Amino acid sequence: GAGVSQSPRYKVAKRGQDVALRCDPISGHVSLFWYQQALGQGPEFLTYFQNEAQLDKSGLPSDRFFAERPEGSVSTLKIQRTQQEDSAVYLCASSFGGRQGSTEAFFGQGTRLTVV
Amino acid sequence: RKEVEQDPGPFNVPEGATVAFNCTYSNSASQSFFWYRQDCRKEPKLLMSVYSSGNEDGRFTAQLNRASQYISLLIRDSKLSDSATYLCVVGDSWGKLQFGAGTQVVVTP
Repeated sequence: GAGVSQSPRYKVAKRGQDVALRCDPISGHVSLFWYQQALGQGPEFLTYFQNEAQLDKSGLPSDRFFAERPEGSVSTLKIQRTQQEDSAVYLCASSFGGRQGSTEAFFGQGTRLTVV
Repeated sequence: RKEVEQDPGPFNVPEGATVAFNCTYSNSASQSFFWYRQDCRKEPKLLMSVYSSGNEDGRFTAQLNRASQYISLLIRDSKLSDSATYLCVVGDSWGKLQFGAGTQVVVTP
């Protein structure tokens, strides 16, 4: 498809379980972002890639969160030993812009993670 | 303090009225500015980019004040379909985007 694709759309995990969330950005987009959105809140920045380089991971809440984009395209956000506070919608966005400046970011539909 | 601050609202607006709201940003080196719209349980979608000279797209007008570091959005002749959360987004020279928490607008008949 032409848009940003995320999978799975919904994930229920038992507390302590590891999860992996996938993002397929728009082809050719340099920048890829992960956000966490709790109910009633705006998206909170987690981490950011330009191609395969993770330029900023300052928003990752703990060392249980890990993201990668090994070939500069598909990205995976992994959460180890999930906790109830990890329950949120995880949004991925991509944009054509790189260091030369920001351009419009296109979002996927998100993965709704519920930790029980 | 968050990098992008917005009044959460809700702004309750009669149909046909005008509503305006701002956001402020803390990074003076910010280079790009956007308003996104997010409907309930949907992903954010770009409403409009914001340029230094101000810009208009139909019923929507955006303004940027770099000196005071705020961005505004004005909606004229509000429609019921304008009910949504409006997210202020600020980008740096590296392409990193920061979102505000959103301003909720509710247009009533």
